[in-house]
Amino acid sequence: KAGVTQTPRYLIKTRGQQVTLSCSPISGHRSVSWYQQTPGQGLQFLFEYFSETQRNKGNFPGRFSGRQFSNSRSEMNVSTLELGDSALYLCASSLALLDRISYNEQFFGPGTRLTVL
Amino acid sequence: TQLLEQSPQFLSIQEGENLTVYCNSSSVFSSLQWYRQEPGEGPVLLVTVVTGGEVKKLKRLTFQFGDARKDSSLHITAAQPGDTGLYLCAGAPGYALNFGKGTSLLVTP
Repeated sequence: KAGVTQTPRYLIKTRGQQVTLSCSPISGHRSVSWYQQTPGQGLQFLFEYFSETQRNKGNFPGRFSGRQFSNSRSEMNVSTLELGDSALYLCASSLALLDRISYNEQFFGPGTRLTVL
Repeated sequence: TQLLEQSPQFLSIQEGENLTVYCNSSSVFSSLQWYRQEPGEGPVLLVTVVTGGEVKKLKRLTFQFGDARKDSSLHITAAQPGDTGLYLCAGAPGYALNFGKGTSLLVTP
């Protein structure tokens, strides 16, 4: 069974630009969560999508948004990039058999390394 | 404020040594998870501990959940270079997982 795939793996942007990252979950997984990982803050929850609906979101500004398609693939978008947005962006998929994302085993992709100059 | 504090932040040891890393919080968790993240990869779930005082073993790795369910430890016996990576603990007082910042472990031959 193929794992979670994320594209692109590396991205370099400049301040003020916007970026779109893509995540393909494991086949059959309906939940996709996004996390930001930085050395200073560690892994932080951005948002979770289930059946094309955002079920929950973390404490990030509105510049961070996402969506999920009918095939469960998900994209996240960051607009008006800032230097502090440089990070590893991870997505994780799960079967989501239980109603709270933390109760379900999550499978992480390799991440997209975003550098903002 | 970090909900889960991990220590030490960095650990460099030689092959064959034993080590323990810690995950502490002032909050009570219904469960805690441990992940290992290798360079260039996403975190991989190692174990979930659920019951206070629970001990789980995964080959040379021993995980313990504190009696009060506020802390956890990971002990590695006879570390090997393949154990190198970032060890993360995670818990969920709310909807989503909260992660500690991790312990970065380097095991040299």
